[in-house]
Amino acid sequence: DIQMTQSPSSLSASVGDRVTITCRASQGISNYLAWFQQKPGKAPKSLIYAASSLQSGVPSKFSGSGSGTDFTLTISSLQPEDFATYYCQQYNSYPPTFGPGTKVDIK
Amino acid sequence: EVQLVESGGGLVQPGGSLRLSCAASGFTFSSYAMSWVRQAPGKGLEWVSAISGSGGSTYYADSVKGRFTISRDNSKNTLYLQMNSLRAEDTAVYYCAKAEWGAWDFDLWGRGTLVTVSS
Repeated sequence: DIQMTQSPSSLSASVGDRVTITCRASQGISNYLAWFQQKPGKAPKSLIYAASSLQSGVPSKFSGSGSGTDFTLTISSLQPEDFATYYCQQYNSYPPTFGPGTKVDIK
Repeated sequence: EVQLVESGGGLVQPGGSLRLSCAASGFTFSSYAMSWVRQAPGKGLEWVSAISGSGGSTYYADSVKGRFTISRDNSKNTLYLQMNSLRAEDTAVYYCAKAEWGAWDFDLWGRGTLVTVSS
């Protein structure tokens, strides 16, 4: 199975900050990488697919990049509604696997 | 409205069985692969099982293979997960998720249903 790691595991940031989360795959996955946002007690929400494509309705402050084994999710200007846990997921090969998550909270 | 609504969770004893359902609406259900993904309390996301749009192909995580069975009824726009021989480690919120293009590129998730395995 492909192992996904994320860094940092948590971060504290202020409203307006630029935030970057890193995701790494244990082997190359081309661009078959998705990012999800999850708020406490809620279902995950799809943000990005194919490493850098924004899902419909997702604000442009979210962006993704990367290919192969290294990927990033960037939030350009953190807003109160962005405090949540973010997960990456590879769908290049079976079984699909998720990163352990990065919790973004208020400084 | 495009949505997925899970049901069927609850408290069950170790070794017991439970069947989860996921009702889909707002899209052509039979055209898309579907999955179950679970999240143990305070933990991350774990893919459990997937099924093709026609129902002809099914996939399972090693942790549930031989105990869980995924199925779908396209006439009822409903996805199912039959869970047998349940263990304490199966305790989790179970989400159904729709794939966008392939089998596990998830673009839509339900709100989840909680399964608790305890005596």
